[in-house]
Amino acid sequence: AQTVTQSQPEMSVQEAETVTLSCTYDTSENNYYLFWYKQPPSRQMILVIRQEAYKQQNATENRFSVNFQKAAKSFSLKISDSQLGDTAMYFCAFNPSGWGKLQFGAGTQVVVTP
Amino acid sequence: DAGVIQSPRHEVTEMGQEVTLRCKPISGHNSLFWYRQTMMRGLELLIYFNNNVPIDDSGMPEDRFSAKMPNASFSTLKIQPSEPRDSAVYFCASSFFQGHKGTGELFFGEGSRLTVL
Repeated sequence: AQTVTQSQPEMSVQEAETVTLSCTYDTSENNYYLFWYKQPPSRQMILVIRQEAYKQQNATENRFSVNFQKAAKSFSLKISDSQLGDTAMYFCAFNPSGWGKLQFGAGTQVVVTP
Repeated sequence: DAGVIQSPRHEVTEMGQEVTLRCKPISGHNSLFWYRQTMMRGLELLIYFNNNVPIDDSGMPEDRFSAKMPNASFSTLKIQPSEPRDSAVYFCASSFFQGHKGTGELFFGEGSRLTVL
């Protein structure tokens, strides 16, 4: 079975500071895809960043970056220069083959305070 | 470009009533997914279609749930009869896969919040 674990139910960070969210997964696959989705109070699921397992370089999207450690099966998300609009639930997701279903972690609630 | 469109956005119904949720995927996408989100169970995949054919419905909780995709631009998720424990947010998502390959990401609609009294 393949699972995705997010061990931090909630994280609080002050504006302009940095926060790192952890995610681990379990798989026997060699090539797969990892994602971070953001769900603000509007409940829309928004893709933040994606990483392909065969790429060694960590993905970056503006203030969002990942630390992908394939051997450790770890995929953390760093939010730099946090903004109030970053307040949301963040889900780590795993796709073993590039097609088909995503498996989601339980989510981490990020609260950005002034 | 229009994203995934779901309707209704909110639905309140009484136990025993039939509920139909609708989804229009992104044009050109060939895969469609129905997820359910609850506080207790998080995001669960109910069923997904590829080229309008159901591929995996193992997440459908019971026979009260059914899903159809009559064409590439429309899908429904039906609950009959509905029960209070069906109260949740139901998401539709779509993506494009070709030859068992794709970017892997899903594009989600805004969800339908269902409340069964």
